[in-house]
Amino acid sequence: NAGVTQTPKFQVLKTGQSMTLQCAQDMNHNSMYWYRQDPGMGLRLIYYSASEGTTDKGEVPNGYNVSRLNKREFSLRLESAAPSQTSVYFCASSEGGGGGYGYTFGSGTRLTVV
Amino acid sequence: RKEVEQDPGPFNVPEGATVAFNCTYSNSASQSFFWYRQDCRKEPKLLMSVYSSGNEDGRFTAQLNRASQYISLLIRDSKLSDSATYLCVVNRRGYSTLTFGKGTMLLVSP
Repeated sequence: NAGVTQTPKFQVLKTGQSMTLQCAQDMNHNSMYWYRQDPGMGLRLIYYSASEGTTDKGEVPNGYNVSRLNKREFSLRLESAAPSQTSVYFCASSEGGGGGYGYTFGSGTRLTVV
Repeated sequence: RKEVEQDPGPFNVPEGATVAFNCTYSNSASQSFFWYRQDCRKEPKLLMSVYSSGNEDGRFTAQLNRASQYISLLIRDSKLSDSATYLCVVNRRGYSTLTFGKGTMLLVSP
């Protein structure tokens, strides 16, 4: 019963490098989300996908791109990493639009950009 | 005004104490409410949904006051294992995303 799986768990990047954070869910959920969490800032929405084939910007999308590869997978790409993107990244999924169902989160990716 | 506001704490309480957290939300169109729990360096996990009539789950009681736009969480008989950050979460009608408060930290000591 995996739920939401994120890879990698830890990553160190140099400024300017690119990388893709992977997320997969096995609960047949329609909606998927990427959040970042920084000290004192709480969880902030980067991008989300309400259903397969759609993606939308959240509160802090600059510097990121996403791909909803299929119903199970939703990836987050940093094209040119910056130190300001040092954060903990959480992927989440929801059965519906999140309104009545809440989210299930992955265990997170701790990213450091030096 | 932030959409969801919580006292960051920390709340330091002894084992067995009763502790209450409040959360206010700014958008009257908010329709769904939750409390999440987040342990240090872990992902948030759903603790309970909050219903208009109030609801209870063991030692935890959640209340919603729509008129005053606040949500509360009461924890009775605190355990050491209750030490965590508690996140207040709301969903606005017609939106497919949740908005998280910054959380209230609880520390339960022996």
